[in-house]
Amino acid sequence: GQNIDQPTEMTATEGAIVQINCTYQTSGFNGLFWYQQHAGEAPTFLSYNVLDGLEEKGRFSSFLSRSKGYSYLLLKELQMKDSASYLCAVMDSNYQLIWGAGTKLIIKP
Amino acid sequence: SQTIHQWPATLVQPVGSPLSLECTVEGTSNPNLYWYRQAAGRGLQLLFYSVGIGQISSEVPQNLSASRPQDRQFILSSKKLLLSDSGFYLCAWSPSQDQWSQPQHFGDGTRLSIL
Repeated sequence: GQNIDQPTEMTATEGAIVQINCTYQTSGFNGLFWYQQHAGEAPTFLSYNVLDGLEEKGRFSSFLSRSKGYSYLLLKELQMKDSASYLCAVMDSNYQLIWGAGTKLIIKP
Repeated sequence: SQTIHQWPATLVQPVGSPLSLECTVEGTSNPNLYWYRQAAGRGLQLLFYSVGIGQISSEVPQNLSASRPQDRQFILSSKKLLLSDSGFYLCAWSPSQDQWSQPQHFGDGTRLSIL
């Protein structure tokens, strides 16, 4: 079967750095996506990785290792508004998105 | 730029009543369209997707159906709602099927409560 694993919940301090991991086992691979979802709202697209390595976008970076079936989302200089769920999704060989259950990130002052 | 509209934002319906949720996309043509459901604290469950007018693929057997009467319109329906249909329904679009490895973009969602 296909599955995406992410921690259920993480806690971090304002101003710090946090890394949210995602491991996957899918039928084929056509890219990995990270989304942010604030409580009660729709997910918004953050990043896309299809090749190994690090993609940086301001305070957010996403890393991919296809051989290990592993990705992480790195958030720097955490702000209170970063409190949200972060969803990892992998596009399989049929170009279908397989979604993880999401990691709820709690930021404390 | 492209925008996606989904309505209503919230809906409270009795068990056994019908359902119609509508989603429209602006600023693009021949988008891929998706309906998802998200239970509280859970991930996204794909219900239906469409690559063109009248082309609907169903991912899970249930009492829901979807239709795409126009290129940029996607409708989720039910003839008789069940308690288990409660959840957060999300419509999403992505660029046309020639560009599959593109992110999906979501509407604001409809929170459906069945009483």
